[in-house]
Amino acid sequence: QQQVKQSPQSLIVQKGGISIINCAYENTAFDYFPWYQQFPGKGPALLIAIRPDVSEKKEGRFTISFNKSAKQFSLHIMDSQPGDSATYFCAASTQGSSNTGKLIFGQGTTLQVKP
Amino acid sequence: EPEVTQTPSHQVTQMGQEVILRCVPISNHLYFYWYRQILGQKVEFLVSFYNNEISEKSEIFDDQFSVERPDGSNFTLKIRSTKLEDSAMYFCASSVYGYGYTFGSGTRLTVV
Repeated sequence: QQQVKQSPQSLIVQKGGISIINCAYENTAFDYFPWYQQFPGKGPALLIAIRPDVSEKKEGRFTISFNKSAKQFSLHIMDSQPGDSATYFCAASTQGSSNTGKLIFGQGTTLQVKP
Repeated sequence: EPEVTQTPSHQVTQMGQEVILRCVPISNHLYFYWYRQILGQKVEFLVSFYNNEISEKSEIFDDQFSVERPDGSNFTLKIRSTKLEDSAMYFCASSVYGYGYTFGSGTRLTVV
């Protein structure tokens, strides 16, 4: 029940295209859903995050869509660029004063954007 | 932009030896974490630390592991007797509120 399932495992997109990565969870206590971007040899970097009281959040070319009833959320990268080539992780945690902020990560998606 | 600093970037150790991985979290952060990532796999939670004590630990974080914040700036992860399966990238992270945290660049631990 603590798992976050992420798909696809890898994704190849042409420059200018839309990259879509999907995640699903089971634990309805999760209330914070961040996406992290990781380049080789680096730590994950927070990209964008959403809470379940909204269905969509947009920051620049990055959009999270959230479907609470389906327990799914997705990352959309518009106008994908070669510099977006990285591994993307979705994650989930339970916030609140009694919680520690532990993140449960998905398995990761390796995105390659072809010029 | 403030960074979480980890040292060393790569450590090679013999099986059975003790290792200490060091981290300097962002100075005004209150929550501290260690995660690990075995090559090609997902990032896994090890331990969280708040108010000078462990607030949560995973099944991976057994008696061989310990954490310490010895001087108010450093945050260390000690593995007492390393095993081959401890080979991984170890990431330190810190946050102000317990979310939106910043990860360091990691320490690659290789146990031979």
